[in-house]
This record gives sequence, C-alpha cells and structure tokens, in this order.
Amino acid sequence: SQKIEQNSEALNIQEGKTATLTCNYTNYSPAYLQWYRQDPGRGPVFLLLIRENEKEKRKERLKVTFDTTLKQSLFHITASQPADSATYLCAPTGGGFKTIFGAGTRLFVKA
Amino acid sequence: GAVVSQHPSWVICKSGTSVKIECRSLDFQATTMFWYRQFPKQSLMLMATSNEGSKATYEQGVEKDKFLINHASLTLSTLTVTSAHPEDSSFYICSARENPGELFFGEGSRLTVL
Repeated sequence: SQKIEQNSEALNIQEGKTATLTCNYTNYSPAYLQWYRQDPGRGPVFLLLIRENEKEKRKERLKVTFDTTLKQSLFHITASQPADSATYLCAPTGGGFKTIFGAGTRLFVKA
Repeated sequence: GAVVSQHPSWVICKSGTSVKIECRSLDFQATTMFWYRQFPKQSLMLMATSNEGSKATYEQGVEKDKFLINHASLTLSTLTVTSAHPEDSSFYICSARENPGELFFGEGSRLTVL
C-alpha cells in the first residue's frame, strides 16, 4: 500500500538556521508533490508544489526538492523565524488527483 | 488565492443525532471536493472524494451510510455525520482545487459528540 514518511515528529532549531524536513514515499508514483503548513486547530495552508519533472522549486525563504529516483522530497526553510513554528505536511498527488498526506513534522523555532 | 469556507467551525451534539457540515468554494467552481478527517496529533485522512452531480467516492474503511456526502452544486458540498457517536468526534476538513495543483482547505469543523 502507499506509504508516506516524514522524517520526525518534531524538529527543534534555533532562529536564523535552516530547517530541513524530509518526506519519503513508497509504492507510489506521484505526478507532483505539495507541501502544506498547518497551525493547531486550523486547516492546512498550501506552500509549494513541485512536479515530477522538476528538481527544485523556490519561493522566498522556502525551497523544495523532488527526487523521483529516491522517492524523496526535501523541504527547506532558510533564515528560520519563530513564526515558522508549525506542522508541515508532505502531500504527494497521483492518479485521479487524489492527495494523500504524510503525518507531518512539527517544527519549533526558538528565538 | 482561492477561498474555501467551511461551516460550522465547531459543533457539539448528543450521541445519536446527525450533524451537517457545509463546504463552499467562494470564488471558483469546484467540480471535485475532498473531505478529510484528522484526529489529534495525526495527519489528515482522506474520507471521500465528492463529485458534483454524482455519488461520492469513499476511501476504504469509510462507511458511506454513516458519512453522507452531497455535492449539489459546483460551489457546495455537504458532509452529514449520521447517528453520531463519541468515536466520531474529530476535526473534519474539506478541500477543493481550482486547477490541477494545490488544494485549498476550509478552516475545518471540530465535532464533539457527547
């Protein structure tokens, strides 16, 4: 069955450092992969989308890579800020545009 | 960006009653909407894909007679939790996409069944 794994439940980093979150998937060939941010008690908010033929995508302080050979995506937040503290969800999307979510990684950025 | 509105944001009901949650796409037409459920500290689990004008497609393990989905128009989908029980207490979130690509999520509805 399809499986999505995000590197850890929680990640603690110091303000100003780069946060790197990992998403690995198995038994799945997504046409594209998305990253979302979710704050407690709120619905997820879309951040970035990367297609299977793209290696890297950037948006302001965010960067996403997509390696279809390794079946892995990395999500980077540079110059992290306390306001970046949230849960980040990896979401590969395959046939039928059905989107499945990983369990998420909770990021804590300390001032 | 596109906006998806969900109502109510929270609801408390007695065991055995039914609860309806509405999901609206405010500035675009959504042929397809998705309903997710999220338990505390867990990820979103897709429950069903709601198709305008036709029957919803349910994920394995989701009871279609318990979670009734209606997608009567291109901007509105409803989820009705019938004969709710305490184990149905959860955070229910709808989403829609304007084009193939990112999903826009509603703010979620927190259901508590007493």
